[in-house]
Amino acid sequence: TQLLEQSPQFLSIQEGENLTVYCNSSSVFSSLQWYRQEPGEGPVLLVTVVTGGEVKKLKRLTFQFGDARKDSSLHITAAQPGDTGLYLCAGVVGNQFYFGTGTSLTVIP
Amino acid sequence: NAGVTQTPKFQVLKTGQSMTLQCAQDMNHNSMYWYRQDPGMGLRLIYYSASEGTTDKGEVPNGYNVSRLNKREFSLRLESAAPSQTSVYFCASRRQGWAEAFFGQGTRLTVV
Repeated sequence: TQLLEQSPQFLSIQEGENLTVYCNSSSVFSSLQWYRQEPGEGPVLLVTVVTGGEVKKLKRLTFQFGDARKDSSLHITAAQPGDTGLYLCAGVVGNQFYFGTGTSLTVIP
Repeated sequence: NAGVTQTPKFQVLKTGQSMTLQCAQDMNHNSMYWYRQDPGMGLRLIYYSASEGTTDKGEVPNGYNVSRLNKREFSLRLESAAPSQTSVYFCASRRQGWAEAFFGQGTRLTVV
C-alpha cells in the first residue's frame, strides 16, 4: 500500500522558473520529511516538518506541512541546474518511514 | 566518515540463486532499514529493525529475510532470487528519537 502520492511524477523546466511539488496522503504523520536523491546515490535529507501548518525555508526551497499533517508541498524559486534530481517525501509513523512515489526534476540551462 | 556502507554495489544473479546484501553503520544508531527502489514506486520498506535483536516486516517482505547481527550490521538475504526482485536496494539507519534517516549508496541487483 502506497501511503504517499507525489505529483507531478516528472518535471522538466527551464532555469529560472518556479515549481511546486506536492505530496498527498490520507494518513496522518507525526512528521514529514523531504529528501533529494542524485543518480547512483542514496537519498539525503533536506528538511523535516513537524507541526501542522509549518513552513520552512531553505534558501530557494520552501516546504509546507498541511494543517492536518497529511500533506506537504515543496516550492522551488528560480530553479537552477543544480536542483536536478529525484525529490522524495517521507511520512514518519513511529519507527517507520513511508516514502512517496518521487518527483524527478530536470532543470535545463 | 563512513556513515552507512552497503556491499556489494552491483550484483547479477540467476533465477533461484541466493545472496546476502550487507549493511553496516558506524553512527551508533538503534534503528536500521532495508528498502527497495523501483521506477515510479519510490522507496518501499522491506524490513526494519528498531533495535538490536528485533526485526519487523515492512510493506514488501515476501521473498526476503533479514538478520540484525549486532548494533552495527543489518543484512538482507534473498533465498531464491526471482526476476521481480530486480531493483536497487538501500539500507538506512536512524538514531532513536531522531527523525533523519541516513542512507547507503545502494546495491543494484539484477536477476536474470
